[in-house]
Amino acid sequence: DQQVKQNSPSLSVQEGRISILNCDYTNSMFDYFLWYKKYPAEGPTFLISISSIKDKNEDGRFTVFLNKSAKHLSLHIVPSQPGDSAVYFCAANLGGNKLVFGAGTILRVKS
Amino acid sequence: GAVVSQHPSRVICKSGTSVKIECRSLDFQATTMFWYRQFPKQSLMLMATSNEGSKATYEQGVEKDKFLINHASLTLSTLTVTSAHPEDSSFYICSAREAGNSSPLHFGNGTRLTVT
Repeated sequence: DQQVKQNSPSLSVQEGRISILNCDYTNSMFDYFLWYKKYPAEGPTFLISISSIKDKNEDGRFTVFLNKSAKHLSLHIVPSQPGDSAVYFCAANLGGNKLVFGAGTILRVKS
Repeated sequence: GAVVSQHPSRVICKSGTSVKIECRSLDFQATTMFWYRQFPKQSLMLMATSNEGSKATYEQGVEKDKFLINHASLTLSTLTVTSAHPEDSSFYICSAREAGNSSPLHFGNGTRLTVT
């Protein structure tokens, strides 16, 4: 039972344009959401998070939007840079300390 | 920021042997650490929650006798894969969170285990 879904396995974007990574979830008990970035053979690196009581959080080039009624969140990266090329994981916190991860989306930013 | 160190980064072992993976929180104390496993092109799956001074909590389907977890101090948790088999080959990642439930998990760089 996949509670967190990232339906796009990969995304290719031109440098300077916007990257939009999407994530859907099914469990309304998730209390906050996070995005992680991962390079091959490395652990995930925290990028940005959003509480379930908010609908937007912005940090530099990264903005996360949350639509609770649709159980959908997205990560916007603008402008995209080649160094942003990585796997992006959406994760949801299920109370306490449990994080549920999506399967990841490979982002390729072309220069 | 918080740093989680994981060692070794890569290990190759023979079937039937045991492998220990260490996870350390370098600049903060972690009463709880988490062990994840990632199969190729798949998500990170939580295996167990390591609790300092008490028994680990294992997720459904994870064999506690095969994946031994010891959280001996506030900065160190170890995962021992006992009697390893080729199907245990995977990428194992530990993580820890600073005090406060809303702080993000910080991950180690992972351990690539290959069982031959």
